[in-house]
Amino acid sequence: QKEVEQNSGPLSVPEGAIASLNCTYSDRGSQSFFWYRQYSGKSPELIMFIYSNGDKEDGRFTAQLNKASQYVSLLIRDSQPSDSATYLCAFTPEGDYKLSFGAGTTVTVRA
Amino acid sequence: GAVVSQHPSRVICKSGTSVKIECRSLDFQATTMFWYRQFPKKSLMLMATSNEGSKATYEQGVEKDKFLINHASLTLSTLTVTSAHPEDSSFYICSASGPGAHTEAFFGQGTRLTVV
Repeated sequence: QKEVEQNSGPLSVPEGAIASLNCTYSDRGSQSFFWYRQYSGKSPELIMFIYSNGDKEDGRFTAQLNKASQYVSLLIRDSQPSDSATYLCAFTPEGDYKLSFGAGTTVTVRA
Repeated sequence: GAVVSQHPSRVICKSGTSVKIECRSLDFQATTMFWYRQFPKKSLMLMATSNEGSKATYEQGVEKDKFLINHASLTLSTLTVTSAHPEDSSFYICSASGPGAHTEAFFGQGTRLTVV
């Protein structure tokens, strides 16, 4: 079983819509959760991190964490063409700094 | 956020030669650095973890004699791809993190290696 599963995509949404990305993880001891955005040919850039159950909002992005269900999601509101990228979820296991990445979900925002 | 600088951004080398990639943390002390490789349309694969002043810990299946990692200071780690072959062509990315729990990792710009 893979450590991190992401909805495979690709995901296409119209401009202005909400893009919803999901990620499940298998390690119940996981401590920290991250969402990265990666443009083609570039390295990942951190969008958000979340440690506690519940929602965390930053601008148009909202991360949701449910540790009981081992589930983390990312909502992108008012999607823009510049949001078109691959989104990677990642987590660090308890007591470790190593990031385990999901396979990524490619999002395309149609103008 | 903190800045991690990776150099070079692109390199083309001949088969059999060695290539060194540098990863520097510019404004913080990176006690731990990670090296990843990424094939087209695939996710990042962790190759090794290096802690300053100690030997790197390699992930299963990664040849430590082929991918030499040095982390001699709190601001610099290097990855040397020795005797490179075309199948080593990939996107190599470093990341660095500082001390403490919940410490986010900051990524370098990545290095596109092409072995011809």
